[in-house]
Amino acid sequence: AQSVAQPEDQVNVAEGNPLTVKCTYSVSGNPYLFWYVQYPNRGLQFLLKYITGDNLVKGSYGFEAEFNKSQTSFHLKKPSALVSDSALYFCAVRGPNNAGNMLTFGGGTRLMVKP
Amino acid sequence: KAGVTQTPRYLIKTRGQQVTLSCSPISGHRSVSWYQQTPGQGLQFLFEYFSETQRNKGNFPGRFSGRQFSNSRSEMNVSTLELGDSALYLCASSLARGGMLETQYFGPGTRLLVL
Repeated sequence: AQSVAQPEDQVNVAEGNPLTVKCTYSVSGNPYLFWYVQYPNRGLQFLLKYITGDNLVKGSYGFEAEFNKSQTSFHLKKPSALVSDSALYFCAVRGPNNAGNMLTFGGGTRLMVKP
Repeated sequence: KAGVTQTPRYLIKTRGQQVTLSCSPISGHRSVSWYQQTPGQGLQFLFEYFSETQRNKGNFPGRFSGRQFSNSRSEMNVSTLELGDSALYLCASSLARGGMLETQYFGPGTRLLVL
């Protein structure tokens, strides 16, 4: 069975500083990895995905993520955090053997960016 | 292009009742998936529909069911509601052209409170 772990419930960072939100995964075969963000009283917004190719994936709103196969990680990063980035972030994996679109999500990490 | 829409946005029911939630996917999207989000269990996959057929199912009791119509709109039904069914129910759609590796786009969710 596939699984995703987000080891930090909350990450605090000062505005303008770089941020990292960690994600590790477990899946048979090559993983398909996603990051989503959720603002209060809203659904999930897609940020970026890794399917194959370059290990550094660039996404929306200046976010990027680095895929590391040996460490089974897919950490979300941004060079300079904004207060408006404060939200709940979810990492998700879709295993290659799925017949459909089922995503397995991590528990989420709350990002707090302070002015 | 309009995003995924879900109705109603908020719902209050009592134990034992049943409820039907509706989801309209992005125009042209053929796959619709449903997820349940709770503080305790996080985001969990309920089921996926593609071309009016259930393609994948999560680990939920038979009280949870769904269907998809020929226009790709989907409904999910929960019968004999329990207090633990209180949650945010999220719908996601994707193109599903080749059934592979496509991004799911989420609606704002329906928040269900069971009293």
